[in-house]
Amino acid sequence: QSALTQPASVSGSPGQSITISCTGTSSDVGSYNLVSWYQQHPGKAPKLMIYEVSKRPSGVSNRFSGSKSGNTASLTISGLQAEDEADYYCCSYAGSSTYVVFGGGTKLTVL
Amino acid sequence: QLQLQESGPGLVKPSETLSLTCTVSGGSISSSSYYWGWIRQPPGKGLEWIGSIYYSGSTYYNPSLKSRVTISVDTSKNQFSLKLSSVTAADTAVYYCARQLWFDYWGQGTLVTVSS
Repeated sequence: QSALTQPASVSGSPGQSITISCTGTSSDVGSYNLVSWYQQHPGKAPKLMIYEVSKRPSGVSNRFSGSKSGNTASLTISGLQAEDEADYYCCSYAGSSTYVVFGGGTKLTVL
Repeated sequence: QLQLQESGPGLVKPSETLSLTCTVSGGSISSSSYYWGWIRQPPGKGLEWIGSIYYSGSTYYNPSLKSRVTISVDTSKNQFSLKLSSVTAADTAVYYCARQLWFDYWGQGTLVTVSS
């Protein structure tokens, strides 16, 4: 069982927007603005899409955005494209005893 | 462009020690801004952070694996390494190394199978 809870799957049609939630606790997501999101295509290494809750690394499309409210972080993808179909993982700093926790992952299907 | 490459045996026997090395190129592992981490992914499952190291040798580990994990660094070779002892089939996974402040650069991953 993962420390952060994500929906197993989400889906959307091209051009639509989807949101993936990542629920933690007051010991991780709720206490630190240190949430990151990763995209993983089959057989590939994960790719950093969002860091510090809402910041985008250079080269990542502005269709990807992140936010946080309380113990839940969210990744929103607008203007869905076929190449967005992938697994998405959230990650949070969890303090000086647990350090780093990942979510269980969400499979995004573009219909 | 920073690149990371994992290397090590792809097959390890149960109860033995898994050993992997990550070689960093295109940048120095001694950068003061970053840690260097190991993450694994069992087949068909999610990501699990194993542990991380600073170039000075400071380490921090996943509490659930701490008793079996050792991560070390060799700045002269621009490498860091993972040892996981007393492995079982549950340790079969793709093992990734990554640069960490955020895991922004990753190796391609290497599959390690635990089997007799």
